[in-house]
Amino acid sequence: NAGVTQTPKFQVLKTGQSMTLQCAQDMNHEYMSWYRQDPGMGLRLIHYSVGAGITDQGEVPNGYNVSRSTTEDFPLRLLSAAPSQTSVYFCASSYSTQTMGYGYTFGSGTRLTVV
Amino acid sequence: GQSLEQPSEVTAVEGAIVQINCTYQTSGFYGLSWYQQHDGGAPTFLSYNALDGLEETGRFSSFLSRSDSYGYLLLQELQMKDSASYFCAVMDSNYQLIWGAGTKLIIKP
Repeated sequence: NAGVTQTPKFQVLKTGQSMTLQCAQDMNHEYMSWYRQDPGMGLRLIHYSVGAGITDQGEVPNGYNVSRSTTEDFPLRLLSAAPSQTSVYFCASSYSTQTMGYGYTFGSGTRLTVV
Repeated sequence: GQSLEQPSEVTAVEGAIVQINCTYQTSGFYGLSWYQQHDGGAPTFLSYNALDGLEETGRFSSFLSRSDSYGYLLLQELQMKDSASYFCAVMDSNYQLIWGAGTKLIIKP
């Protein structure tokens, strides 16, 4: 059982480039989300999904797109990378929104640097 | 606005007991969670309190007082491997997790 798998683990982008961060889970979780974590700060929600075909914006959605075509996958797309998007990105999943409090599983993270 | 307050850093001695506090102000409340994160790692779940009182899991305990909008994480018999950042998070009435900025726990031998 792999849990939540994120790829790549590290990435360097030039300003203006686009890329997709991959996230996959094999636990049949309905709820999936993307966070960014900056030094000395907590996690900030970018986008989330409560099921296949359903996505919504979180606290800091600008500059990012998501889609959820299957239960397993929830990719995050950076449209035009900016230095302000340098951060560590975490994907997380839960069986449902109600179980997030005690059943939230995180991926290992993607460390993104935009130069 | 919604906010969670926790100390930025706490220092303790190996073998001792340490308490990390968290106060919150959120739109609705379903529960308070605690997560541990080692440097370079991902957050991992520690505990969840939906009701007032103390929850114990081995060396870790978590307490909640909903009337005071306050909770704490208690770590006993501290070990060097407990050196990490600890985050509290509240699930609000929209089933969104609101996160604190984290407390870095420094353990000295």
